[in-house]
Amino acid sequence: DAGITQSPRHKVTETGTPVTLRCHQTENHRYMYWYRQDPGHGLRLIHYSYGVKDTDKGEVSDGYSVSRSKTEDFLLTLESATSSQTSVYFCAIKPGQGGSGYTFGSGTRLTVV
Amino acid sequence: SQELEQSPQSLIVQEGKNLTINCTSSKTLYGLYWYKQKYGEGLIFLMMLQKGGEEKSHEKITAKLDEKKQQSSLHITASQPSHAGIYLCGAVLNSGNTPLVFGKGTRLSVIA
Repeated sequence: DAGITQSPRHKVTETGTPVTLRCHQTENHRYMYWYRQDPGHGLRLIHYSYGVKDTDKGEVSDGYSVSRSKTEDFLLTLESATSSQTSVYFCAIKPGQGGSGYTFGSGTRLTVV
Repeated sequence: SQELEQSPQSLIVQEGKNLTINCTSSKTLYGLYWYKQKYGEGLIFLMMLQKGGEEKSHEKITAKLDEKKQQSSLHITASQPSHAGIYLCGAVLNSGNTPLVFGKGTRLSVIA
C-alpha cells in the first residue's frame, strides 16, 4: 500500500525473547516512524529516523531500539520482549511534498506471552 | 498524547445523521491531520489543515481549523455505515520536522 510494507503482520513471542519488526519502503523517503497503538492511548511514537543511521527517540522508547542502515528499511527491535509490549505496531513514512500526511503501513500485531 | 484531546471518545449515530468530532491542542498547532482507521487496519489519510480558518472537504467529510482555539473539528454530513471506524487527529506541535503526535481517537459507529 503506497510503497510501505511491514513484516511480519502477526507475531506471538515469549517473554524475554528479542523480536525485530521490519518496515520497508519503496519510495526513498527520508523520514520514517514507528508508533504503537493501544486501547486508551491512541498512537504513541516509539522512534523515528530522519536519514540513514540518523534516529531519535519518541515518547515511549524504553525497551526498544531501531536501526536504519539503508533508506528503504527501518527496523524496530524489542530487546527483551515483555507483556507490556503487546500491541499493534505501525510504521509510517513522510512524503516529501507538503499537503499529504504520513503514509502508514498495515501494522504488525505483536503478542508477548 | 495528552497534548491532543479528542472528543467524544466514542459516538453512535443513526444512519443519515450529522456528527462532529473535535480535536483540541494544548500547544500551538503547526499542522493538523485527520485520519480514519477501519477496525484492524492501518490509517488512511483524510486531510491536512495548516492555516487558521482553513476548511477542507472530501465527499461528505469537512474539517475546519480554529487557530484561536487551537482546535479542529471534523464534521460528517448524512452519515453512512461506510463512515464507521476510528477517527484520529494528529498534529505538528513544534516548528520544523517534529513527528506527529496523535489524539486517542474517536470510535464512530453508524447504525441503520
